[in-house]
Amino acid sequence: DTAVSQTPKYLVTQMGNDKSIKCEQNLGHDTMYWYKQDSKKFLKIMFSYNNKELIINETVPNRFSPKSPDKAHLNLHINSLELGDSAVYFCASSQELAGGNEQFFGPGTRLTVL
Amino acid sequence: DAKTTQPTSMDCAEGRAANLPCNHSTISGNEYVYWYRQIHSQGPQYIIHGLKNNETNEMASLIITEDRKSSTLILPHATLRDTAVYYCIVRGSSNTGKLIFGQGTTLQVKP
Repeated sequence: DTAVSQTPKYLVTQMGNDKSIKCEQNLGHDTMYWYKQDSKKFLKIMFSYNNKELIINETVPNRFSPKSPDKAHLNLHINSLELGDSAVYFCASSQELAGGNEQFFGPGTRLTVL
Repeated sequence: DAKTTQPTSMDCAEGRAANLPCNHSTISGNEYVYWYRQIHSQGPQYIIHGLKNNETNEMASLIITEDRKSSTLILPHATLRDTAVYYCIVRGSSNTGKLIFGQGTTLQVKP
């Protein structure tokens, strides 16, 4: 069973469109994250949710709106897509423990905006 | 910004130990050293983490200097499948959980 899954794996769309990426984890973790990896391969945190509540928002444009219907899901909705949104988006989850934690990453969603 | 410095790239012969260094001279007392790797086109994968003692698991060993300003990740018997970008990350134990990735070290394992 896949621990952290994302759909779709590939997404090609036109500028100005609205799209969503879904993420699910079956690990029972309390915290979920979205990361963005751009064309230069830099991996950067975007959002983090703990028990459905937003705890990190790294100055991401408000065209990006994460939604967590329950603690196993963290979806990412993007409005008015721009060329610069083209990237690979990774979802991750973790359980905060004393002594540190391990984040489990999904396989990524490659978004291409034309 | 990342709080760590790593060499951009390294080569290693298959079957030999791969030693990946990391400098984190501004590390705070409650911050852990984490290592993740990213194999081409896949999501990052956790390898190991430690606070001040050396750590070992089924994947690797982590050696942290006594002053905690640097560390080394050791892959004891590198295989071709270990070719990846390796990230050394410093993270507090009670922060919001985010990982700040630097550029990492691209390890190329050669036959």
